[in-house]
Amino acid sequence: EDKVVQSPLSLVVHEGDTVTLNCSYEVTNFRSLLWYKQEKKAPTFLFMLTSSGIEKKSGRLSSILDKKELFSILNITATQTGDSAVYLCAVRGGSEKLVFGKGTKLTVNP
Amino acid sequence: DTEVTQTPKHLVMGMTNKKSLKCEQHMGHRAMYWYKQKAKKPPELMFVYSYEKLSINESVPSRFSPECPNSSLLNLHLHALQPEDSALYLCASSQGFPGELFFGEGSRLTVL
Repeated sequence: EDKVVQSPLSLVVHEGDTVTLNCSYEVTNFRSLLWYKQEKKAPTFLFMLTSSGIEKKSGRLSSILDKKELFSILNITATQTGDSAVYLCAVRGGSEKLVFGKGTKLTVNP
Repeated sequence: DTEVTQTPKHLVMGMTNKKSLKCEQHMGHRAMYWYKQKAKKPPELMFVYSYEKLSINESVPSRFSPECPNSSLLNLHLHALQPEDSALYLCASSQGFPGELFFGEGSRLTVL
């Protein structure tokens, strides 16, 4: 069965800190790994990493994929209070199914 | 336009009621999904439609009945639900495989 494990489950930091969120996975016939940010409502898409795109960056957020060691990290630099959210990692194997980890709840205090 | 719209945003129903949740996307995406999310838990897949055909049913109880009338619309018919079915129901769509999913804002369902 496909499995996604995120760590830590929660994290409290101060504005300006840099954080690293972890995601490890076991999936049959890996196709992609996705990061989402969820505040009060729907998850919003951040990055998709595949065999042909193992590193992504957008502003203060960046992510890498290590296909050999089966993990990904999401980095957020110079955190702001608006970064407070649950960050979800999800993987796709050989089917349409997207399997989510339990998420990391990030709280950024002023 | 990267929007998935869901209606209603909130729904309260009794255990004997029949209601429906609706989802619409106009991005030309070929796959549409229903997820269920309980408080402080990740989304759990319920159904996947690919090219308007049901491709995945994650052993969901028959009191939930999905329907895909066309490539832009996805419904979830609800009947004889239980209080434990109260949750946020998220619809999503994706262009291709293994592309990203775009989520709607969800329908928050309360079963009394």
